[in-house]
Amino acid sequence: NAGVTQTPKFQVLKTGQSMTLQCAQDMNHEYMSWYRQDPGMGLRLIHYSVGAGITDQGEVPNGYNVSRSTTEDFPLRLLSAAPSQTSVYFCASSSTGNTIYFGEGSWLTVV
Amino acid sequence: TQLLEQSPQFLSIQEGENLTVYCNSSSVFSSLQWYRQEPGEGPVLLVTVVTGGEVKKLKRLTFQFGDARKDSSLHITAAQPGDTGLYLCAGGGAGGTSYGKLTFGQGTILTVHP
Repeated sequence: NAGVTQTPKFQVLKTGQSMTLQCAQDMNHEYMSWYRQDPGMGLRLIHYSVGAGITDQGEVPNGYNVSRSTTEDFPLRLLSAAPSQTSVYFCASSSTGNTIYFGEGSWLTVV
Repeated sequence: TQLLEQSPQFLSIQEGENLTVYCNSSSVFSSLQWYRQEPGEGPVLLVTVVTGGEVKKLKRLTFQFGDARKDSSLHITAAQPGDTGLYLCAGGGAGGTSYGKLTFGQGTILTVHP
């Protein structure tokens, strides 16, 4: 049972480069979301989705794009990476009932 | 914007001591969750409380949701080194299910020394 799988685990980007963080879940959950975690700031919501084809912005969406073409996948795209996007990124999925399952995280460094 | 203030930010205690972590807000949440996170891993759900005044116990951990659903606390009795980690509270918005949208507190880093 894989749960929520994120790739890559670690990535170093140069300022201005683009990349996609992949997220897949095998629990047939309707809801998926992306958070970033920075020291002393807890987790902050970037984007979320309530189903295939439906996405919306969270608290800190600038510089990130998402799409949800299937129930299983919810990739996060950085269009032009900036040092301020250096962070740990977590993908999460859930169904009704509020239990949210998180992936193991993706460590991103922008130099 | 809903905010959750978690305190203390750091807690360093000896094995066997008791501790309480607080999570406070000026906003009402439909549910309040507590997570534990270990280095290099994602947060793992410990408990969800949904009713004002609700108290849940998980072995040596006691969770309470305030009567007005604006605050919560986590109390650990007789802490053990295995309790060491980052504890996060998170609130779900109004209207029932949070749809995967949570507001997190800043976290409490707990270190329990043998």
